[in-house]
Amino acid sequence: DGGITQSPKYLFRKEGQNVTLSCEQNLNHDAMYWYRQDPGQGLRLIYYSQIVNDFQKGDIAEGYSVSREKKESFPLTVTSAQKNPTAFYLCASSILAGGKQPQHFGDGTRLSIL
Amino acid sequence: GESVGLHLPTLSVQEGDNSIINCAYSNSASDYFIWYKQESGKGPQFIIDIRSNMDKRQGQRVTVLLNKTVKHLSLQIAATQPGDSAVYFCAETYPLISGGYNKLIFGAGTRLAVHP
Repeated sequence: DGGITQSPKYLFRKEGQNVTLSCEQNLNHDAMYWYRQDPGQGLRLIYYSQIVNDFQKGDIAEGYSVSREKKESFPLTVTSAQKNPTAFYLCASSILAGGKQPQHFGDGTRLSIL
Repeated sequence: GESVGLHLPTLSVQEGDNSIINCAYSNSASDYFIWYKQESGKGPQFIIDIRSNMDKRQGQRVTVLLNKTVKHLSLQIAATQPGDSAVYFCAETYPLISGGYNKLIFGAGTRLAVHP
C-alpha cells in the first residue's frame, strides 16, 4: 500500500537529549513537510522540503533540524535547544510543494519528556 | 486517549442526521481549501478539496460549500454515522505575490460527536 510511515508512534526524551523522528513515504512525492500539533491548536509548520537535498524553515523551526538525502525520507531531529518539545508530530507529503493540491499525512509520533 | 482537540468546539448529532461543520478562513486571497478528518491518535485524513472558482463540490456523503463573500467554508456530512466521529479541520492556501512556496494554513478544528 502507498502511504506515509512515521516511527516510532511514541517517543520519550530526556533532558539534554536529541531525538530523531522517522518519516518515510512511498508515494513518489517530491515535497515533504513536518508539522507540530498541540491540543486545541491548528498544525504549525516546522520544516518543509520541495525536493531532495533542499529544505526550508517553516514557522517554528527553532530547536529542530531536518535532512532530505533521499526522496522517500525526511527525518526530523528534535534537539535539546527545543525547550517545549512535548507535542504530536506529523509528517506529510504532496506531489509538489505548494499549489492547489492536498497534503497527505502519516499517523504521527507523540513525543513526551521524561 | 490522545489530547489533540481537548478544547475544541463540539458538534453533537444523532446518528442518521446531517452534520454541518463550519470554518471561517482568514485570507480573502485564499484560492484553495481542504477539509481533513482526524481520528484520535491518527494523522489527518484528506476528505475533500475545493478551488476558489467553485462554490460547491460533492463527494461521497460529503459536500463542501464555499462563500467567498464572507470568507466561509462548510462541510456537510449526510446521514452521519458513528464512524464519522472525529475532529474536522479546514485548511486554506493563497498565492504569494513574491512567488515561492504558498503554505497551507490550518484551522484549529471542530469535534464531531455522533450519538446512536
